[in-house]
Amino acid sequence: NAGVTQTPKFQVLKTGQSMTLQCAQDMNHEYMSWYRQDPGMGLRLIHYSVGAGITDQGEVPNGYNVSRSTTEDFPLRLLSAAPSQTSVYFCASSYDPAGPTDTQYFGPGTRLTVL
Amino acid sequence: GEDVEQSLFLSVREGDSSVINCTYTDSSSTYLYWYKQEPGAGLQLLTYIFSNMDMKQDQRLTVLLNKKDKHLSLRIADTQTGDSAIYFCAESGGGSSASKIIFGSGTRLSIRP
Repeated sequence: NAGVTQTPKFQVLKTGQSMTLQCAQDMNHEYMSWYRQDPGMGLRLIHYSVGAGITDQGEVPNGYNVSRSTTEDFPLRLLSAAPSQTSVYFCASSYDPAGPTDTQYFGPGTRLTVL
Repeated sequence: GEDVEQSLFLSVREGDSSVINCTYTDSSSTYLYWYKQEPGAGLQLLTYIFSNMDMKQDQRLTVLLNKKDKHLSLRIADTQTGDSAIYFCAESGGGSSASKIIFGSGTRLSIRP
């Protein structure tokens, strides 16, 4: 199994550009999430999904869209990038809806810079 | 809303015990976690505890939970240089809320020779 994969690893955008951060998992996990990590602020939940076709907002959803058309993929879209979205983005997945516990997996992260 | 707080830095001597503390505000938290992040890497789940437990021990790691004070701690015995990392405290609810994990800002643990 490849686990949780994220692409790209690094990205530089200009203000106003759009892009999609890709996340995929091959473990048949129902739960997938997107977090952003900023210095001194830990990880903040952007959006999450409890299964294909179902998504919900986390703590900081503004400026981001998600969709979950398949179990495997959970892309994160930035419609009009802003410098405040400069961050490291982590995708995570888990299997057990009653508690992720030791089945929570994180991807390697995407480092995004918006100029 | 829910909040998880922890100190930003901790420095310990190699071989000593490290204790990383965390406080949280959500009284309905069901799961409390400790994650480790090494430089340039994603997060690795170290251990977790259910809210109805007081203590959990796993080799060099001991987690203590004071539910009344909403205080969680992680003790690493015999701290080694490989333990240098950022440690995140986190909490979530149960059932369908378990995937909505709220993280603290992380404690950077550095090891002195």
